[in-house]
Amino acid sequence: AQKVTQAQTEISVVEKEDVTLDCVYETRDTTYYLFWYKQPPSGELVFLIRRNSFDEQNEISGRYSWNFQKSTSSFNFTITASQVVDSAVYFCALSEAGTGNQFYFGTGTSLTVIP
Amino acid sequence: EAEVAQSPRYKITEKSQAVAFWCDPISGHATLYWYRQILGQGPELLVQFQDESVVDDSQLPKDRFSAERLKGVDSTLKIQPAELGDSAMYLCASRRDREDGYTFGSGTRLTVV
Repeated sequence: AQKVTQAQTEISVVEKEDVTLDCVYETRDTTYYLFWYKQPPSGELVFLIRRNSFDEQNEISGRYSWNFQKSTSSFNFTITASQVVDSAVYFCALSEAGTGNQFYFGTGTSLTVIP
Repeated sequence: EAEVAQSPRYKITEKSQAVAFWCDPISGHATLYWYRQILGQGPELLVQFQDESVVDDSQLPKDRFSAERLKGVDSTLKIQPAELGDSAMYLCASRRDREDGYTFGSGTRLTVV
């Protein structure tokens, strides 16, 4: 069973629009960590955020914000006023304490920001 | 800023040849991972090291893949013989402890022809 589901395969938005990338996870652990990574065309995975299971506070970092809701097992990522440089594949990932903290990645959402 | 170093950046090899990738994690990071990312998919774990010991290699195709981290620092992933289906990005990552996010290297993009 897929532990991390990113239902949106591809999204296109026009520059300056807001966009939300969805992430739904599945775990039985009470201690776990959620992450978002950005993968630009060059291929490297860039760490964006980490959130532990005991901290449901939403977080804002510049144009990026994250909404963590344990009730719906979701960890969604919103980019406000998107820019062309935001074009990339974005991966949501889950790390469970019970499985040695191995990362489980979603299949990624490819975001294209059109100028 | 500390980085995970990987080489080579790109590798083209013929089917049935041997190929090796190298990774040098961030200094002090005890845990090292090798992931494979097939085009259009998310990364999947191949092997996890804690210092020099293999913690998890359940997803490593051991008939052709091998990995080592002899001194608990840098690591080598080898494929012999390479097959067409091995074409992918091979990513190395390290972390200090379980509460940290992974830091990924730039990856090695392998093309088997």
